[in-house]
Amino acid sequence: GAGVSQSPSNKVTEKGKDVELRCDPISGHTALYWYRQSLGQGLEFLIYFQGNSAPDKSGLPSDRFSAERTGGSVSTLTIQRTQQEDSAVYLCASSFSLARVGTQYFGPGTRLTVL
Amino acid sequence: QKEVEQDPGPLSVPEGAIVSLNCTYSNSAFQYFMWYRQYSRKGPELLMYTYSSGNKEDGRFTAQVDKSSKYISLFIRDSQPSDSATYLCAMMTGGSEKLVFGKGTKLTVNP
Repeated sequence: GAGVSQSPSNKVTEKGKDVELRCDPISGHTALYWYRQSLGQGLEFLIYFQGNSAPDKSGLPSDRFSAERTGGSVSTLTIQRTQQEDSAVYLCASSFSLARVGTQYFGPGTRLTVL
Repeated sequence: QKEVEQDPGPLSVPEGAIVSLNCTYSNSAFQYFMWYRQYSRKGPELLMYTYSSGNKEDGRFTAQVDKSSKYISLFIRDSQPSDSATYLCAMMTGGSEKLVFGKGTKLTVNP
């Protein structure tokens, strides 16, 4: 069956440019998460959406980062005025809210390189 | 001190060996403990899930949680070259949806 998909798979941009990363969660999953995986740093939580509730933005590293989820499905993570330290793999995950806690299904990620 | 500590390795073992992977943590509120496997250029996939203390076995994989020591382990028996991947421990408190990950341990099983 279809899993979580992310696009683009790779993105190279110049410092100072804005980028948009897209996530298509598994159909029917109400919860959606964004994580960042930097070399040697492991996965870092960024933001969490659950249904129509206000998102948990507590992991966003700066106000250059924002995310939205339209229609309870597709999500876009936007990074404005990118910096070299934003280079990382950005992972999206989704889960079904009534499933056992912690069973998040991850997409393949978007590898962002800021030159 | 990071909330979750995990030795990044790398760890290299011969095929058939028993592999032991470990994480320690500092937050006593963690109640849910997971192990994810991540192949190169792929997203993590859930391997094992444990609630609170105890052992859980699934085929060649055994997960152990010792909350008194704040220590979790993943054992892989009869390791195979296809087990070569990065293994990430992850934890969650009750009432939270945020997974806190270790940095991952890179494992190579040599044929």
